[in-house]
Amino acid sequence: DIQMTQSPSSLSASVGDRVTLTCRASQAISSFLNWYQQMPGKAPKLLIHSASILESGVPSRFSATGSGTDFSLTISSLQPEDFATYYCQQSYSAPHTFGQGTKLDIK
Amino acid sequence: QVQLQESGPGLVKPSQTLSLTCAVSGGSIISGSSSSYYWSWIRQPAGKGLEWIGHIYKSGDTNYNPSLKSRVTISLDTSRKQFSLRLTSVTAADTAVYYCARHRVSLGGLVTPPARCFDYWGQGTLVTVSS
Repeated sequence: DIQMTQSPSSLSASVGDRVTLTCRASQAISSFLNWYQQMPGKAPKLLIHSASILESGVPSRFSATGSGTDFSLTISSLQPEDFATYYCQQSYSAPHTFGQGTKLDIK
Repeated sequence: QVQLQESGPGLVKPSQTLSLTCAVSGGSIISGSSSSYYWSWIRQPAGKGLEWIGHIYKSGDTNYNPSLKSRVTISLDTSRKQFSLRLTSVTAADTAVYYCARHRVSLGGLVTPPARCFDYWGQGTLVTVSS
């Protein structure tokens, strides 16, 4: 199985901050990397697919980059509704695996 | 707008079989104009991360997580636009919120990269394994 490792596990930040979350795959996965946002008690929501493509309806303050084994998600100016847990996920090969998540909370 | 809705018992006894159904509305369960869909189950124990259980394609082909493969069956009923999960011999370790989701696979084009992502999710249903 391909292991996905996210860092940091948790992050405290303030509204308006710029934050970057990272995700590393245990082997090269090309650009088959997706990012999801999960609010407490809710299902994950797709933000970014194919490493850098913003899903329709997702605010442009979200951006992502990467290829191979190293990926990152950046939120340019944090809004109150962005405080959530973020997961990366690889679809290069089955079993599809997720990172352990980065919990973003308010400082 | 595609919607998925899980249903099934919220409490299952140890050693018994967990059965859930996911109803799909607002879109095709077969395929889209430029994408193929794989109908998936994913679970999340309380306070933990996400685990892909497996998926089924319109042809009936399935793919399961090796960690659960011996206990899992996913089936598809296209006429009723729903797919189902069966997990046998459950233990407390199977207690989790179970999500159904659509895995979209598109080949991409000249300017669009290929995509493989879980683009629609159900709200999730908590299944507790306890006597």
